[in-house]
Amino acid sequence: EAGVTQFPSHSVIEKGQTVTLRCDPISGHDNLYWYRRVMGKEIKFLLHFVKESKQDESGMPNNRFLAERTGGTYSTLKVQPAELEDSGVYFCASSPKTGLILDTQYFGPGTRLTVL
Amino acid sequence: GQNIDQPTEMTATEGAIVQINCTYQTSGFNGLFWYQQHAGEAPTFLSYNVLDGLEEKGRFSSFLSRSKGYSYLLLKELQMKDSASYLCAVRSQGLYGGATNKLIFGTGTLLAVQP
Repeated sequence: EAGVTQFPSHSVIEKGQTVTLRCDPISGHDNLYWYRRVMGKEIKFLLHFVKESKQDESGMPNNRFLAERTGGTYSTLKVQPAELEDSGVYFCASSPKTGLILDTQYFGPGTRLTVL
Repeated sequence: GQNIDQPTEMTATEGAIVQINCTYQTSGFNGLFWYQQHAGEAPTFLSYNVLDGLEEKGRFSSFLSRSKGYSYLLLKELQMKDSASYLCAVRSQGLYGGATNKLIFGTGTLLAVQP
C-alpha cells in the first residue's frame, strides 16, 4: 500500500511569489491534515479535511494560505503571496475515518519550503 | 494553553535501554502518540496510549499517567538505526468537549545511539 506522498519535496521561491504544495493521501482515507514545522519549533496543525469538507482550519496562519481538497482525494495548499516567515517544512497526513478511538495519522515526508 | 515538553537531545549506547519522557498540559486529552522521525523523512507512528499504563510493542514500550500529564517511551536493545527524533503528540479535545483529530506536538527528542 502506497503511503502519503507530497510534491514537491523542496521548493525555493522569492518573497511575493506563489507556491502550491500537493498531498496525495493513502487511498481510501477520509481524513487529510496539513501541518507545518518552522525551523527550531514544533510541528503545528494547520487544518483538517474530512473528505472534501474543512473540518477544522483553526491553525491556518492567515488568508494568504488556501487549502483545497476537491473531490475528496488529493489536496493542495497554496501560499499567495509568500512571505519570509512561511519558510518551513509542510507535512501532510491522512487517517482512515473519523470517530475511531485509535485513528492513527500517517505522515508524508513533507515539502521543504524556502522563501528568499 | 497547550504545552508539551520533552528533552531536546539524548545520547545512549548501542544495546542499552533509554527512556524518553514527555509531559503535557492541554485543554482536554484524547490520546497520546509517539512518532519516530529520521532526518528528511516522514514521522512514523510508534505507539498510542489513551488509558493509564504500559503498552508494549516489541523493543518499544510507552507508558501513560493521565493524572500526572506524563508519558514515556522506552526503547530496549538499542540499535544504531534507532538514532532519530522522537515526537510526543497529544490529541486534544475540540470545541464543546468533542473529539478532534488535531495533534499537538512537542519539539521532539533527538536521540543519538553510539557504538
